[in-house]
Amino acid sequence: GQQVMQIPQYQHVQEGEDFTTYCNSSTTLSNIQWYKQRPGGHPVFLIQLVKSGEVKKQKRLTFQFGEAKKNSSLHITATQTTDVGTYFCAGLEGGSEKLVFGKGTKLTVNP
Amino acid sequence: DGGITQSPKYLFRKEGQNVTLSCEQNLNHDAMYWYRQDPGQGLRLIYYSQIVNDFQKGDIAEGYSVSREKKESFPLTVTSAQKNPTAFYLCASSLRTGLSLAKNIQYFGAGTRLSVL
Repeated sequence: GQQVMQIPQYQHVQEGEDFTTYCNSSTTLSNIQWYKQRPGGHPVFLIQLVKSGEVKKQKRLTFQFGEAKKNSSLHITATQTTDVGTYFCAGLEGGSEKLVFGKGTKLTVNP
Repeated sequence: DGGITQSPKYLFRKEGQNVTLSCEQNLNHDAMYWYRQDPGQGLRLIYYSQIVNDFQKGDIAEGYSVSREKKESFPLTVTSAQKNPTAFYLCASSLRTGLSLAKNIQYFGAGTRLSVL
């Protein structure tokens, strides 16, 4: 079945440093979504990418969808303590009814 | 967030006991989902339902059961057959899967933490 691999599992950064998490699928995806889960909280939708090679920005966050629609990345520029949490990617395979989540990247930011 | 209510927030299960986790949404969403989250793990799909009176098994359905008698409600029962039930359980909903990519964005409840006594 479809698998979505996400790396790294953990990332510790100093405030102000950049952060990137990567997501790779074993199959071509119809779309990819990114969610953020704050410590003790629940996942919250951030963004959805649909087109091959698509790039979207939300303030300091940049999301990319690969040309082959099998990989994606989330990059945070100049991290802040408010960025702390676990970032999940989730992919929907063409014709599938189910989102498949990666295991997430847990980001900690040292002030 | 907002519009999906899970209860209780914390739940304790005794050996051999069935427990039911509640999930209610007022977003008029067609699809509802149950996920299990273990430390360091992602979200694993237990069951999902796209329409009332119909549901499908996810990746880890053994030891769990669900019902979808009303559009707004999708309760999950953790049965005694689930030998390792301690986890964080998340319920989510979306407008609908598959038909439109814009409609399968999932909205999550605050979760229920289940522990075994």
